[in-house]
Amino acid sequence: SQELEQSPQSLIVQEGKNLTINCTSSKTLYGLYWYKQKYGEGLIFLMMLQKGGEEKSHEKITAKLDEKKQQSSLHITASQPSHAGIYLCGAGLFSGSARQLTFGSGTQLTVLP
Amino acid sequence: SQTIHQWPATLVQPVGSPLSLECTVEGTSNPNLYWYRQAAGRGLQLLFYSVGIGQISSEVPQNLSASRPQDRQFILSSKKLLLSDSGFYLCAWVQDGGYNEQFFGPGTRLTVL
Repeated sequence: SQELEQSPQSLIVQEGKNLTINCTSSKTLYGLYWYKQKYGEGLIFLMMLQKGGEEKSHEKITAKLDEKKQQSSLHITASQPSHAGIYLCGAGLFSGSARQLTFGSGTQLTVLP
Repeated sequence: SQTIHQWPATLVQPVGSPLSLECTVEGTSNPNLYWYRQAAGRGLQLLFYSVGIGQISSEVPQNLSASRPQDRQFILSSKKLLLSDSGFYLCAWVQDGGYNEQFFGPGTRLTVL
């Protein structure tokens, strides 16, 4: 079974709307990484969270890691067509393994102009 | 600054033919290197990782092999391709130590016919 569950699998929103993508694990997350991927291209690093309760923002994207370090969310405010792509979460699933990441299956985001 | 290169960008090969994909990193030394495969509509599957020259760890049994002949060169190979080897292959590197993010190459699209 998938060790990192991402939801939803796909998301279609109107430009200007807010949206949230979730990443859940049954195990403690050691180093939670969010990446964005345009189709057919490599992954672009967005943010990394390490501490329980941590929250980081970059432009209109905010990522949070819950206190138990088993769930992370990525929130986009006032979405734009440039936000479209595949969002993947990656995490080390045991201490010392952060350099070996397990990835979720990704969330395909479409933003309609 | 560091950069990561992959080639070729796309490849179409017949079943049973050999494969060699190359990944090189510039601007860093002694990186950890990774090969991932991304099937259509799925997340990333870690295939191999290397913590140093000649040191290869395999994550899943398969038709592929990896080698690291130089510090910043990582090669993915196969003697005989299978249809199931089709996919998008991504190379990544991370600087050893701590919870540093992985940086990804642009990927190679492999189609086995």
